[in-house]
Amino acid sequence: GNSVTQMEGPVTLSEEAFLTINCTYTATGYPSLFWYVQYPGEGLQLLLKATKADDKGSNKGFEATYRKETTFFHLEKGSVQVSDSAVYFCALNTNAGKSTFGDGTTLTVKP
Amino acid sequence: DTAVSQTPKYLVTQMGNDKSIKCEQNLGHDTMYWYKQDSKKFLKIMFSYNNKELIINETVPNRFSPKSPDKAHLNLHINSLELGDSAVYFCASSQGVLEAFFGQGTRLTVV
Repeated sequence: GNSVTQMEGPVTLSEEAFLTINCTYTATGYPSLFWYVQYPGEGLQLLLKATKADDKGSNKGFEATYRKETTFFHLEKGSVQVSDSAVYFCALNTNAGKSTFGDGTTLTVKP
Repeated sequence: DTAVSQTPKYLVTQMGNDKSIKCEQNLGHDTMYWYKQDSKKFLKIMFSYNNKELIINETVPNRFSPKSPDKAHLNLHINSLELGDSAVYFCASSQGVLEAFFGQGTRLTVV
């Protein structure tokens, strides 16, 4: 079956530090890949996506690249802000109704 | 206009009671989901429906029964509530292999 493994948290960084959250997946075929963000007290919302090989998803300074030759979909940001503090989920989707999420990584950014 | 709305937002109830959570989406999506998020933020899929048909039914006690009267609605009924059912329950919808849209969550507290 499909699976998503992401870096365990919590992750604590200082403002303006570089962020990487690792995500590794296994799936049949070529899935669509996603990163979701959950701010405190809210539901999950899409941060970025890549639906085919060589796509680079980007939003709010975050990036992740779908590389055909690997099964990674690491999330990166060059300079984090306090407002980026949230829980980040890596996810994939292969067929309608079959989404798989990672366990989430809690990020805290300190001023 | 809210894309995925679920009610109620908060639910406090006693052990042994029966309760329902309602979910509606106005996005025209074919697939709807119920997820359970525990206190450690782990997100676990419970059910998914595609065009009103059950696609995923994870290992969930049969006290939990989803009902999809039409494509736009997926309700969750829980019988004989237990302390361990306390969690945040999220409804979501998606189309094909594209991203999921989440509701704001229902925080269920069983006392």
